[in-house]
Amino acid sequence: GQQVMQIPQYQHVQEGEDFTTYCNSSTTLSNIQWYKQRPGGHPVFLIQLVKSGEVKKQKRLTFQFGEAKKNSSLHITATQTTDVGTYFCAGGSGNDYKLSFGAGTTVTVRA
Amino acid sequence: DAMVIQNPRYQVTQFGKPVTLSCSQTLNHNVMYWYQQKSSQAPKLLFHYYDKDFNNEADTPDNFQSRRPNTSFCFLDIRSPGLGDAAMYLCATSRDSTRYTFGSGTRLTVV
Repeated sequence: GQQVMQIPQYQHVQEGEDFTTYCNSSTTLSNIQWYKQRPGGHPVFLIQLVKSGEVKKQKRLTFQFGEAKKNSSLHITATQTTDVGTYFCAGGSGNDYKLSFGAGTTVTVRA
Repeated sequence: DAMVIQNPRYQVTQFGKPVTLSCSQTLNHNVMYWYQQKSSQAPKLLFHYYDKDFNNEADTPDNFQSRRPNTSFCFLDIRSPGLGDAAMYLCATSRDSTRYTFGSGTRLTVV
């Protein structure tokens, strides 16, 4: 079955620095979605990417979908304490509407 | 506001005592999902309903059942909870392959 791998599992960032989390699928994806889960909270939708090579930005967050539609990345610039949480990527296969979630990258920020 | 509501927020049950978790939605989404999330792990799909069609994941234990009496409501029944079933249970909805909307979750404790 489809597997989505996500690295790193943990990211400790100094406030103001940039970081990137990466997502790789064993199969071609129809779309990839990113979610953020704050500590003690539930996953909240951030964005969906559908097109090969697509890049979308949300303020300090930049999302990319690879040309082969098998990988994706989330880059955060000038990290703030509000960025703390776990970021999940989730891939759709196109054959159905289920998403396969990556293991998540848990981000902590040093002030 | 349209949303996904899960009750209760916290549930304590006795080992082996049946428990039911509920989820309701005002989004009129056709797909409803139940996920199990343990500490520091990705959400794990238990099953989902596409309209009235029930779809069980292959590795979901028989101990877990679900009901969807109408579009708005979905229930998760755990027939004989064990200590290993202690987790956060997340309900999510979507319209086909679009973004998921998660409820706030029910944290289940088994004593």
